[in-house]
Amino acid sequence: GAVVSQHPSRVICKSGTSVKIECRSLDFQATTMFWYRQFPKQSLMLMATSNEGSKATYEQGVEKDKFLINHASLTLSTLTVTSAHPEDSSFYICSARFRGRDTGELFFGEGSRLTVL
Amino acid sequence: GQNIDQPTEMTATEGAIVQINCTYQTSGFNGLFWYQQHAGEAPTFLSYNVLDGLEEKGRFSSFLSRSKGYSYLLLKELQMKDSASYLCAVMDSNYQLIWGAGTKLIIKP
Repeated sequence: GAVVSQHPSRVICKSGTSVKIECRSLDFQATTMFWYRQFPKQSLMLMATSNEGSKATYEQGVEKDKFLINHASLTLSTLTVTSAHPEDSSFYICSARFRGRDTGELFFGEGSRLTVL
Repeated sequence: GQNIDQPTEMTATEGAIVQINCTYQTSGFNGLFWYQQHAGEAPTFLSYNVLDGLEEKGRFSSFLSRSKGYSYLLLKELQMKDSASYLCAVMDSNYQLIWGAGTKLIIKP
């Protein structure tokens, strides 16, 4: 079964509103969570890396005030897209690295498709 | 700069074998991953190679040559459900994943 659960899977919102996406690790402690976005027919683009209890590290070109990431616990990270605009429409995916998994394998959430009207 | 190259698209026949190649140039190396991604879904983990050689998992095998900066994913006994994109990703010296653009595999009956 899934070890990382992401919610919601699909969201449609009006331009200017904020949307929160949750990423939960099930039964495991996620030492690090990653947030990606993916445009159609393109590869995953890392947006930010978050460690539990510390501020997220954003990739160059990603606006930290627009994409708020909170990693409040070892099982939950949230991405909030503030004042969303149509160009923010994309597929957002979280992934987690778990304590004790030495292979460095990432477990992915199901993804959230955001459509901003 | 860091770079991952893989073919954009490949076509194969059901029941056959297909090899998807990946070449990379990265700042350091801490392993290479292959992921499968069906359209509209999140990627799922297929394999991880950190040492040279072949790793076999059922119908899927992955090979790595660090000296050549080269890997391939081998899929045997192809099934229609194998139609998907296959992503190659390398973990660099900072433990960041560098992603290839993916190879879209089309399986024909």
